[in-house]
Amino acid sequence: GAGVSQSPSNKVTEKGKDVELRCDPISGHTALYWYRQSLGQGLEFLIYFQGNSAPDKSGLPSDRFSAERTGGSVSTLTIQRTQQEDSAVYLCASSPGTHASTDTQYFGPGTRLTVL
Amino acid sequence: ILNVEQSPQSLHVQEGDSTNFTCSFPSSNFYALHWYRWETAKSPEALFVMTLNGDEKKKGRISATLNTKEGYSYLYIKGSQPEDSATYLCAFQTGANNLFFGTGTRLTVIP
Repeated sequence: GAGVSQSPSNKVTEKGKDVELRCDPISGHTALYWYRQSLGQGLEFLIYFQGNSAPDKSGLPSDRFSAERTGGSVSTLTIQRTQQEDSAVYLCASSPGTHASTDTQYFGPGTRLTVL
Repeated sequence: ILNVEQSPQSLHVQEGDSTNFTCSFPSSNFYALHWYRWETAKSPEALFVMTLNGDEKKKGRISATLNTKEGYSYLYIKGSQPEDSATYLCAFQTGANNLFFGTGTRLTVIP
């Protein structure tokens, strides 16, 4: 079956531009997560969506970052006025959401963002 | 931000050797400990989710143990094969919904 997909796989942009990263979770998964991995760092939590509940945005590093999830499925992570420190691999994951605390998260292949 | 540490940072072993790595995490507010394998150019793949002190999980040649009282988990690989080459990530979960990841142990198995 189809796994989590992300697009684009690679994105090179200029400092100050806005970018949008897309995530298609596994069909039927109600929980969706965004993470990023900067060079030499561990995976850093950004935001979590669960069903129709208000998202947990506690990991977003600044107000330049926002995310939405339309219709409980596809999610878009938007970074406005990109900075060089935003360069990272952005990973999306989804999980069934039935036992949220121990559900296995299924990851997408990631989007490698490079800000010049 | 919770501190999750993994050691060693990287490891080279010969094919057929057995190996193990460590994940250290806070001993308070424990809910679950996850292990993932992340091969280059692929998505992280879940290996184990452990919730109880003393848990041991096994999947083929890979196994893991958990000590929540002292805050560590070990991942063991028996008879390493080149296809085991990957970064192994652990993630600590509190009662909240997000995972706090370590920086991983990068394993290279030399044929």
